[in-house]
Amino acid sequence: GENVEQHPSTLSVQEGDSAVIKCTYSDSASNYFPWYKQELGKGPQLIIDIRSNVGEKKDQRIAVTLNKTAKHFSLHITETQPEDSAVYFCAASPSASKIIFGSGTRLSIRP
Amino acid sequence: DGGITQSPKYLFRKEGQNVTLSCEQNLNHDAMYWYRQDPGQGLRLIYYSQIVNDFQKGDIAEGYSVSREKKESFPLTVTSAQKNPTAFYLCASSIRQGNEKLFFGSGTQLSVL
Repeated sequence: GENVEQHPSTLSVQEGDSAVIKCTYSDSASNYFPWYKQELGKGPQLIIDIRSNVGEKKDQRIAVTLNKTAKHFSLHITETQPEDSAVYFCAASPSASKIIFGSGTRLSIRP
Repeated sequence: DGGITQSPKYLFRKEGQNVTLSCEQNLNHDAMYWYRQDPGQGLRLIYYSQIVNDFQKGDIAEGYSVSREKKESFPLTVTSAQKNPTAFYLCASSIRQGNEKLFFGSGTQLSVL
C-alpha cells in the first residue's frame, strides 16, 4: 500500500553542523512532497515543499532534494541553530485528496 | 490574526463518554481536516470536508464523527466506540481540496481517565 518511510527517528547534531533527514515513498504517482516542522505543543507548520518536476529547492538554510527514480527525498538543514530543534515530518501526495505522512524525526541541536 | 483555533488544549474522557473537540478557522478556507497523532507515528487522517454540509471518511474514521454546518467550524466527536482514543488531535485547513498546503491548529491532547 501507500507508505512513506522516514529516517532517522531521532537526530542530534552540534549547533552549526548540518542535519539531513531522509524519506522514501512507495507510490510512484506522488508528485508533491512537503516538509512540516512541529515544535513542542504546537501543530505542524509547512517549511518547504517540492514538486516532482523539480530536483532541488532551497530556502535560506533549508533545502530539499528529490530523486524520483529512487523514490527518495531529503531535507537538509545547514548551520543548525537551537531554534531548529523540533519534530520534522516528510509527506508525499499521490493525489489531490491524499497526503501520506512519514513517522517523524526528532531533531535536537546540542549547544 | 488569521489562523486555526482548537479547543480545549487538554481533554479527559471517561469510560463510555462522548467528547467533542472544537476547531474554528478564520482563513476563509473551503477544506478542513482532522488528523490523529500518536507517538512515533505519522499523522493519520480521520475525516475531511471539502465544503459546508459535506464530509468524507479518512483512513481511521471508525469511532469518530464530524459535522460541517458552517465554513468556519469543523468539530470532531470522539465516541465511546473509539476504544483507544488517547492521542494528540490536529485540525487543519487548506484553501480548497487538492490545494496541498495545510495550515494546522495547535492540537488537543485527549486522554482517558
